[in-house]
Amino acid sequence: EAQVTQNPRYLITVTGKKLTVTCSQNMNHEYMSWYRQDPGLGLRQIYYSMNVEVTDKGDVPEGYKVSRKEKRNFPLILESPSPNQTSLYFCASSFTPGLAGDKRTQYFGPGTRLLVL
Amino acid sequence: AQSVTQLGSHVSVSEGALVLLRCNYSSSVPPYLFWYVQYPNQGLQLLLKYTTGATLVKGINGFEAEFKKSETSFHLTKPSAHMSDAAEYFCAVSHPPGGTSYGKLTFGQGTILTVHP
Repeated sequence: EAQVTQNPRYLITVTGKKLTVTCSQNMNHEYMSWYRQDPGLGLRQIYYSMNVEVTDKGDVPEGYKVSRKEKRNFPLILESPSPNQTSLYFCASSFTPGLAGDKRTQYFGPGTRLLVL
Repeated sequence: AQSVTQLGSHVSVSEGALVLLRCNYSSSVPPYLFWYVQYPNQGLQLLLKYTTGATLVKGINGFEAEFKKSETSFHLTKPSAHMSDAAEYFCAVSHPPGGTSYGKLTFGQGTILTVHP
C-alpha cells in the first residue's frame, strides 16, 4: 500500500530534550516536506527536500532541522524543543513538483501530535 | 506571493442540506488548487484537485469544486450533506516552478464543517 508513515504518532516531552520525528514514504517520491498545523493558521511549511541531500527552509524553520540521506526518509529534528513547538506535525511527499497534473499531488502522513512541557 | 483565504472558520448545515465551503486564492500564474479533508485525529486526505482543463472537478464522497479564474475562487460544494462529512476542510494552492517556494502547498486556515441531524 502506497503510504507516508510517521513515528511516533504522539509524543510528550520536556523543554530542551532533543527529539526526532521520523517520516518514510514508499512511493519513490523525490519531494518531501514537513508542515505544522496550528488552530486558525492552517498548515505551514517547515522544511522541504527536492531530493536526496537537497533541503531548504520553508516558512517557519526556526528551531527545526532536517536531513535527507535516503530518498524514502525525511526525519524532523528538534534539538532543543520549546513549548511554542507544541503542535500537530505532518510529513508529505510527492513527485518532482515541476511535473504537471497528478504528479504534483502531495500525500500526507497521519500526523504526529507533539506536546512540549 | 501565493495566498489562500477560506471564508468562515466554521460552517454548520443540516443533514441533507447543501454544503458550500468558500475558498479564494491569489496567484501570479495559473494555479494548481486542492481541497483536502481532515477527519478527527487523522491526517489529510485529498478530496479533489484542479490542474488544467475542465474547471468543474469532481472528487470523492460526492464533493465537487469549480475553478473560476475571474473570481479567483475554488469553492467546494456537495448537494446533500451527510453526517460522515463532518470534518475540517483545507483549500490549498501549489506554488509554480521557478520561485523559492517551488512545490510548496500554501493552505487556507481551514473550515470546520458540522452536520446536524
